[in-house]
Amino acid sequence: EIVLTQSPATLSLSPGERATLSCRASQSVGSSLAWYQQRPGQALRLLIYDASSRATGIPPRFSGSGSGTDFTLTISSLEPEDFAVYYCQQRSSWPLTFGGGTKVEIK
Amino acid sequence: EVQLLESGGGLVQPGGSLRLSCEASGFTFTDYAMSWVRQAPGKGLEWVSEISGSGNSLHYTDTVKGRFTISKDNSRNTIYLQMNSLGPEDTGIYYCAKERAYNSFFDFWGQGTLVTVSS
Repeated sequence: EIVLTQSPATLSLSPGERATLSCRASQSVGSSLAWYQQRPGQALRLLIYDASSRATGIPPRFSGSGSGTDFTLTISSLEPEDFAVYYCQQRSSWPLTFGGGTKVEIK
Repeated sequence: EVQLLESGGGLVQPGGSLRLSCEASGFTFTDYAMSWVRQAPGKGLEWVSEISGSGNSLHYTDTVKGRFTISKDNSRNTIYLQMNSLGPEDTGIYYCAKERAYNSFFDFWGQGTLVTVSS
């Protein structure tokens, strides 16, 4: 099983600041990695797939990078609605796995 | 508009069974694989099971193999998760999710249904 480790667990930032979230895989997943956003009371939202492709309707302040074992989700300038929990997920091999999540909170 | 509506959750005793349903609309149901993903209270996401668009390919995480069965009814645009021998570790919100393309990621999610396993 591929283990995804996300860091930091919590990120405390102010609106307008840049957020950098990390996801490290226990073995190479190539570019088969996605990022999701979870906000209370809302459906989970696909942000980035295939490591760096933005999903439909996702604003350009969200970007993904990386390949192999190290991946990054960057939010260039935090909007109030971006304070949420973010998960990475791989589908390079079964079972599909998610990282433990990074909570982006208001400082 | 894609919609996924889960149902069937509830309180069940350890060792009991439950069947979850996820009714889909707004897309060609047989063209896309779908999964169940769960979230224990206060915890992260855990993928549980996936069924292909045709229904011919099934996958499970190890902790539910032999206890859970995923299936689909194309006439009802619905996928199911039959859960047997439930334990407290199965407690959580169960989401169904649709893949955006073949062997790809989940572009639409339901709101989830809560399963509580407790005596």
